[in-house]
Amino acid sequence: GENVEQHPSTLSVQEGDSAVIKCTYSDSASNYFPWYKQELGKGPQLIIDIRSNVGEKKDQRIAVTLNKTAKHFSLHITETQPEDSAVYFCAALGDGGNQFYFGTGTSLTVIP
Amino acid sequence: IAGITQAPTSQILAAGRRMTLRCTQDMRHNAMYWYRQDLGLGLRLIHYSNTAGTTGKGEVPDGYSVSRANTDDFPLTLASAVPSQTSVYFCASSVRTGNTGELFFGEGSRLTVL
Repeated sequence: GENVEQHPSTLSVQEGDSAVIKCTYSDSASNYFPWYKQELGKGPQLIIDIRSNVGEKKDQRIAVTLNKTAKHFSLHITETQPEDSAVYFCAALGDGGNQFYFGTGTSLTVIP
Repeated sequence: IAGITQAPTSQILAAGRRMTLRCTQDMRHNAMYWYRQDLGLGLRLIHYSNTAGTTGKGEVPDGYSVSRANTDDFPLTLASAVPSQTSVYFCASSVRTGNTGELFFGEGSRLTVL
């Protein structure tokens, strides 16, 4: 099956700085890569996703890049704000499209 | 709009007891999923259902069973709970399985097995 690795496990940045979270995957057949944000006591929520036919996608302060050759994808958050503090999960769609494999999560703290 | 409703929110359970976690969605999604979340391990899929009447095994299915009698409900049963099943359990749904987009998650059920 798919194996998704995520780094770093914790990240602290000053408000206004950028944050980058990186993930690698093992199954070259995976073709859809979402990112989820989980606030304390809540379920994860989709914030951005990318499909394998594009290399980059942007949505306001959030962007995701994908390198299919190297099998890695990254989440970039610019101009971070305290409300960006949360746990972020990357995921890859594997197993013939039946299940998502999640990374182990990154706890982001934005220091005001 | 409620989305995904899970019950109970939290539960403490003695080892060996049977427990059913309930999950109901009101979005008429075809696919539903159960994940467990453990510190340092992220979210791992236990079981999934592509549509009412069908179920499949995820990464960590042992010790768990599911049923999907209708579109809206997807209960998860622990037949004989063990301490290693202490976790936070999330139910999720999507329009369908595959490369079609968003998983919608419930707020989780925290289960402690003593």
